[in-house]
Amino acid sequence: DQQVKQNSPSLSVQEGRISILNCDYTNSMFDYFLWYKKYPAEGPTFLISISSIKDKNEDGRFTVFLNKSAKHLSLHIVPSQPGDSAVYFCAASAGYGQNFVFGPGTRLSALP
Amino acid sequence: DTGVSQDPRHKITKRGQNVTFRCDPISEHNRLYWYRQTLGQGPEFLTYFQNEAQLEKSRLLSDRFSAERPKGSFSTLEIQRTEQGDSAMYLCASSSGRQGAHEQYFGPGTRLTVT
Repeated sequence: DQQVKQNSPSLSVQEGRISILNCDYTNSMFDYFLWYKKYPAEGPTFLISISSIKDKNEDGRFTVFLNKSAKHLSLHIVPSQPGDSAVYFCAASAGYGQNFVFGPGTRLSALP
Repeated sequence: DTGVSQDPRHKITKRGQNVTFRCDPISEHNRLYWYRQTLGQGPEFLTYFQNEAQLEKSRLLSDRFSAERPKGSFSTLEIQRTEQGDSAMYLCASSSGRQGAHEQYFGPGTRLTVT
């Protein structure tokens, strides 16, 4: 049973436009969420996080929104740049110190 | 700080052989995690250490897998009697363990191919 879902395997967006990557989860105990970016042949790179006490967190071009009632979060990248082309993973944990459960990833292609 | 490092980056082995991977976490990070990633999937948790203590193991970690972190610094992951199904990317991550610091920082991974 997949507890963290990223239902779009891939997404294409024009440079300069907004990229929206979605993530859904099923475990209501999840209370901390991370987004990672992964280039080929590299390990995942941490992007941004959000805890369940917030509904929004911003860091530069990246904003994460959390809708706890819908068990849904999204990552917005504005404006998108060609260097953003990578696989993006959503991850969730149920409490401090607990391991993270990762989604299957969404491949973003930001076209020039 | 050079980040999390893993060695080797690639390993090709024949079925039935034993392999060992090494992970060096970010210095002063007391938590260290091992994950496995196969094509088209996200990383799957295998095990984690707080200092030298192994605190949790996934059911994915069969008896052929063993991990150690003897002095609370680097860690090794050994796979005995490798099988073709063990072919995957093995990722190591570390975190500071400070209250509220959930973020895990990943190394580049070791890609294992079992022939």
